[in-house]
Amino acid sequence: GENVEQHPSTLSVQEGDSAVIKCTYSDSASNYFPWYKQELGKGPQLIIDIRSNVGEKKDQRIAVTLNKTAKHFSLHITETQPEDSAVYFCAAWNYGQNFVFGPGTRLSVLP
Amino acid sequence: KAGVTQTPRYLIKTRGQQVTLSCSPISGHRSVSWYQQTPGQGLQFLFEYFSETQRNKGNFPGRFSGRQFSNSRSEMNVSTLELGDSALYLCASSSGQGNEKLFFGSGTQLSVL
Repeated sequence: GENVEQHPSTLSVQEGDSAVIKCTYSDSASNYFPWYKQELGKGPQLIIDIRSNVGEKKDQRIAVTLNKTAKHFSLHITETQPEDSAVYFCAAWNYGQNFVFGPGTRLSVLP
Repeated sequence: KAGVTQTPRYLIKTRGQQVTLSCSPISGHRSVSWYQQTPGQGLQFLFEYFSETQRNKGNFPGRFSGRQFSNSRSEMNVSTLELGDSALYLCASSSGQGNEKLFFGSGTQLSVL
């Protein structure tokens, strides 16, 4: 079955700097890759997603890149703000299968 | 429109008891999935229901069960609770057509004493 690895497990950046979180997946049939942000006491919130026919997608300060050949995808957050502090999860999905989530990255943005 | 609603928000039970958790999906969504979240194991898939039928199931013992009603609301039941069942149980809804966005509720925090 699918296996998703995520690195780093914790990440601290200064406010205004960029943050990058990387995920790798094992099943080449996976074709949908969402990213979720989870704040304390809340459920995961979808922040951006990418499908396998696209290499990059941007939404304001957030971008995701996908390398299907290498089977990895990354979340890029620019101009980080304290409110970006949270746990971020990547996931991979394939038709007929359930979503498989990475173990999460705890991002701390230091003022 | 309203998001995914889970009740109750917190639950405290003792070993051996059973518990039922409830989830109301986003209006119009026909798929409901359940996940167990623990610090050590992350987000683990329990099962998915679509149009009142279980469509997919994770690797959890039979003590974990669920159902979905005709209005797409779903319930999850855990029988004979064990200490290791303490976790945040998350419900997520989607339209159910595949390859699409999951929307999560805030979860039910279950503590087993």
